[in-house]
Amino acid sequence: RKEVEQDPGPFNVPEGATVAFNCTYSNSASQSFFWYRQDCRKEPKLLMSVYSSGNEDGRFTAQLNRASQYISLLIRDSKLSDSATYLCVVNGGGSYIPTFGRGTSLIVHP
Amino acid sequence: NAGVTQTPKFRVLKTGQSMTLLCAQDMNHEYMYWYRQDPGMGLRLIHYSVGEGTTAKGEVPDGYNVSRLKKQNFLLGLESAAPSQTSVYFCASRKQGGNEQYFGPGTRLTVT
Repeated sequence: RKEVEQDPGPFNVPEGATVAFNCTYSNSASQSFFWYRQDCRKEPKLLMSVYSSGNEDGRFTAQLNRASQYISLLIRDSKLSDSATYLCVVNGGGSYIPTFGRGTSLIVHP
Repeated sequence: NAGVTQTPKFRVLKTGQSMTLLCAQDMNHEYMYWYRQDPGMGLRLIHYSVGEGTTAKGEVPDGYNVSRLKKQNFLLGLESAAPSQTSVYFCASRKQGGNEQYFGPGTRLTVT
């Protein structure tokens, strides 16, 4: 079983829609959690950290559920420019190595 | 402040040739990583380094070697390239105690 799992999608949504992605992780000792965004043929970039109490950055909301070992990303009022792959990343458990999920592809269409 | 840079951006090799990919960061980060990314496979860690002069194997180290002689540089070597090494290679760095990884723009390698 992969340590960090994501639905690869693609999620195909119209502009203005709300879309949510989940990511599950297997290491209960994990300490920090992130969402990265990767545009086609570009490098991944940090979108937002995920805090225990949940956090929001504009149209983006991230949540952590430690009991069930998953994190989520909610995007409201989707824009065409949100089309990308969203990578779930989990750190900690005594490791130097962040663990990446394989990514969820989002396509926002007019 | 250039962040993380990678050289070259593109390369085509014939089977059996060797090459070195260079990663450089100007953020004084302790940790550096080499990943490869293939369609449907996500990012897979090849090797990493937690400081100058130290390296360690990641998930897919076979066929690759690395060196970190200077803190700001992390080199990835392919001694005898194989078509299975056709991929996009990303380098990343992270500050000790920090959370965010900063990625370079990638090197697109094709082995024929």
